[in-house]
Amino acid sequence: AQSVTQPDIHITVSEGASLELRCNYSYGATPYLFWYVQSPGQGLQLLLKYFSGDTLVQGIKGFEAEFKRSQSSFNLRKPSVHWSDAAEYFCAVGSRNTDKLIFGTGTRLQVFP
Amino acid sequence: GAGVSQTPSNKVTEKGKYVELRCDPISGHTALYWYRQSLGQGPEFLIYFQGTGAADDSGLPNDRFFAVRPEGSVSTLKIQRTERGDSAVYLCASSLALTGAYNEQFFGPGTRLTVL
Repeated sequence: AQSVTQPDIHITVSEGASLELRCNYSYGATPYLFWYVQSPGQGLQLLLKYFSGDTLVQGIKGFEAEFKRSQSSFNLRKPSVHWSDAAEYFCAVGSRNTDKLIFGTGTRLQVFP
Repeated sequence: GAGVSQTPSNKVTEKGKYVELRCDPISGHTALYWYRQSLGQGPEFLIYFQGTGAADDSGLPNDRFFAVRPEGSVSTLKIQRTERGDSAVYLCASSLALTGAYNEQFFGPGTRLTVL
């Protein structure tokens, strides 16, 4: 069965520091992979997605993620975090046969000035 | 243009009552999804519509949950005999349904349901 694991429930970083949020997936074939951000009172916003090809994908707001098939991982990174990045981040996996998304439990990012 | 809208934004009800949650998708989007997000969890898939028909309802937890989309646009999620465990944020998303391509889902702000 498809599943997504986000091992870090809560991460705190200082503004300007680098960030890496971990995501591991379980899927029988090549998955579609996504990172979403959810700010309080806001809907989920797509940061970036991976379908195929280049394993390093660029997204909005300066985020990037790298697909590593050997590690079943799709970690999200940002070189320098801004206070406005504080939010909940969700990794998700989709199927080539259905647009249904399976989400991880999320990582809450807190940014200190 | 307008995004996905959901009404009400908050709903408080008593155990055993019936509730309806509404989703207005982005105009022209033929695919519509319902997800449920419990506290501290990621969104969990409930049901997916392609046009007027439910293409996949495998995520509905039991027969107290039902969803309709009679004209292929607005959808209503209906919950009968609500239980305290139904308390969650119910998210709706919509997308185009282009054949042979992945269709990005655009999410609404959600309806927070509280069952007392």
